[in-house]
Parts: sequence; C-alpha cells; structure tokens
Amino acid sequence: DTEVTQTPKHLVMGMTNKKSLKCEQHMGHRAMYWYKQKAKKPPELMFVYSYEKLSINESVPSRFSPECPNSSLLNLHLHALQPEDSALYLCASSQGPARSSAGELFFGEGSRLTVL
Amino acid sequence: AQTVTQSQPEMSVQEAETVTLSCTYDTSESDYYLFWYKQPPSRQMILVIRQEAYKQQNATENRFSVNFQKAAKSFSLKISDSQLGDAAMYFCAYRSDLPGANSKLTFGKGITLSVRP
Repeated sequence: DTEVTQTPKHLVMGMTNKKSLKCEQHMGHRAMYWYKQKAKKPPELMFVYSYEKLSINESVPSRFSPECPNSSLLNLHLHALQPEDSALYLCASSQGPARSSAGELFFGEGSRLTVL
Repeated sequence: AQTVTQSQPEMSVQEAETVTLSCTYDTSESDYYLFWYKQPPSRQMILVIRQEAYKQQNATENRFSVNFQKAAKSFSLKISDSQLGDAAMYFCAYRSDLPGANSKLTFGKGITLSVRP
C-alpha cells in the first residue's frame, strides 16, 4: 500500500464554520506534512509532524490547527477561515526525517477547500 | 537557505519528441536529494525521478532521465518519446539529507508542460 488518502476531496465552508481535513497513510511512515497550494503555484509547507510530534510550523495562522492522533493519521482543523484560505491542501508522508528516510515524500490527492 | 529555480514557466513539445526541463538550485550542503514531481490536472503530486547528491550516475526511470551537474548545481529532466499523458505541471524539489536537518521539501516555481498531438 503506497497511498496517502485524504478526505474530503472537496469542502465548501463559511467563515464561521469549523471543519476538519483528514489524512491517512499505512506505509509505516513516521513523518507527515500539510502543504497549501494555490493554482499554478508550488506547494507551501504548513506543518511537519515527525514521530507524532510537531516539528515544523511555518508561522501558520492559528485558525489552522494540526493534530496527529497516531502515526497513521493527520488532521487539519479549520476555524474562522478567510476567503484567501481557499486552496488545495495536500497531505504527504515520508519514512522519516532526513537521514532516516529514502528521501521522497508521498502525496495524497488533496482536499480542495473553498471558503465563502 | 536552499533555493530552487525553474526559470521557464511553460514549455510545449510535440508528441513522440524529446523535451528537457531546466532546474538550478543553490545550497551550501553536501548531502541532499533532488526530485522531479509531476502534477497533472487531476492534482495528485507524483514522483517522477529522484537523485541522491552523492551519486555521480544520473538517474533514469524509463522515458525520464536527469542530467545532474553537482558543481554547476543544475538538475534538468529529459522526457523522451513524449506522450499526451505527460502534460502536467512539473516541479523540481530539493531536500536536505544532513543529520538534524528539517524534513522540508523546497520546491521550484514549476513549469507547465503541454504536449501537442
């Protein structure tokens, strides 16, 4: 199984809503990532979890709240978002941090978020 | 900090022809990985090819090969016998392999490749 599964594929929410994006992998990877991607742009790193601990937070606004319940799951909780937060949110995983992995990140198909 | 530069925003190739996508990077590190990822309109980011910096031999994967010039910090992707399914956005990416380095993948801006039938 070499898949990273993201749900939902599409999400429309109002600025006062609370929603969550979910990501799951069963490759035994110990590092998981959230990226935000605008159209025709490269992905921008938001968060990195390494061995279920938050290791990188790229100064993301607090309206985005990550959670890693276990080594296979990664959530992104959304609250009071702004229309400019509309984007494709990509989850990825890798075997581990640098030096313990084969290097590449495996990506999910993404969750397309629209904030009204 | 590491940077990855893809200076061509768009390229076009005739089906069955060969195309080369350019990428340069800047780093002071000696141990790292380089990748080419493909993102079709279906949006999933798919790994095309990877290169470990310590390997002198250029990586190849079927119709895809790289020209890795470590001293020049250049990492171009050659697609041979282009197919319609190769049409996508291609991202060059860098990842440190040093102990204690963070795990982030640094992307270039990407290049949109179109394939003409």
